[in-house]
Amino acid sequence: SQKIEQNSEALNIQEGKTATLTCNYTNYSPAYLQWYRQDPGRGPVFLLLIRENEKEKRKERLKVTFDTTLKQSLFHITASQPADSATYLCALRTYNTDKLIFGTGTRLQVFP
Amino acid sequence: DTGVSQDPRHKITKRGQNVTFRCDPISEHNRLYWYRQTLGQGPEFLTYFQNEAQLEKSRLLSDRFSAERPKGSFSTLEIQRTEQGDSAMYLCASSRIRTGERSGANVLTFGAGSRLTVL
Repeated sequence: SQKIEQNSEALNIQEGKTATLTCNYTNYSPAYLQWYRQDPGRGPVFLLLIRENEKEKRKERLKVTFDTTLKQSLFHITASQPADSATYLCALRTYNTDKLIFGTGTRLQVFP
Repeated sequence: DTGVSQDPRHKITKRGQNVTFRCDPISEHNRLYWYRQTLGQGPEFLTYFQNEAQLEKSRLLSDRFSAERPKGSFSTLEIQRTEQGDSAMYLCASSRIRTGERSGANVLTFGAGSRLTVL
């Protein structure tokens, strides 16, 4: 069956450290993978997009990697801050559909 | 532009009643998506429109759910004969796809959602 898996356990880290979140997929051939941030009671907000032929994308303190062999994307937040505390969702699109398919999300908590 | 607007933000209804949600997308966006999200889960795709045409519906969507986008601008999502299992956050998102653009680079702008509670 097709699955997009993110760590359901919350990730707790200390301010200033690097947070690394994982997105694994099964039985998909993604054309693109996106990462979104969601705060409680709000809709997701787009952060980064990476294409299947790209290995890495960066934006300020954010970095996304994409390994189509491992079927995995990693999302890194360097020099994390309490304001980075939120749920982070990965989403992918395959070649045969225009919809985005979301993972379950991972909640990140950054402690001062 | 104020972004994607959804109304109402919260709706409490009794089982068996009909409810309707409205979504006003960003004005220049031609794509409009509906998702459903329950606690601890990611958004689940329901349906999407390009302009006024409904291009895809989830196979999980029962016939109690119907969505429209009559003039290619705002959209409504109606749930008939609500059940307790329909309790969720209903999210609307929009995007702009240019002619010839590879639609996979389709970045969605979400509204704040409409939370439905069915008693």
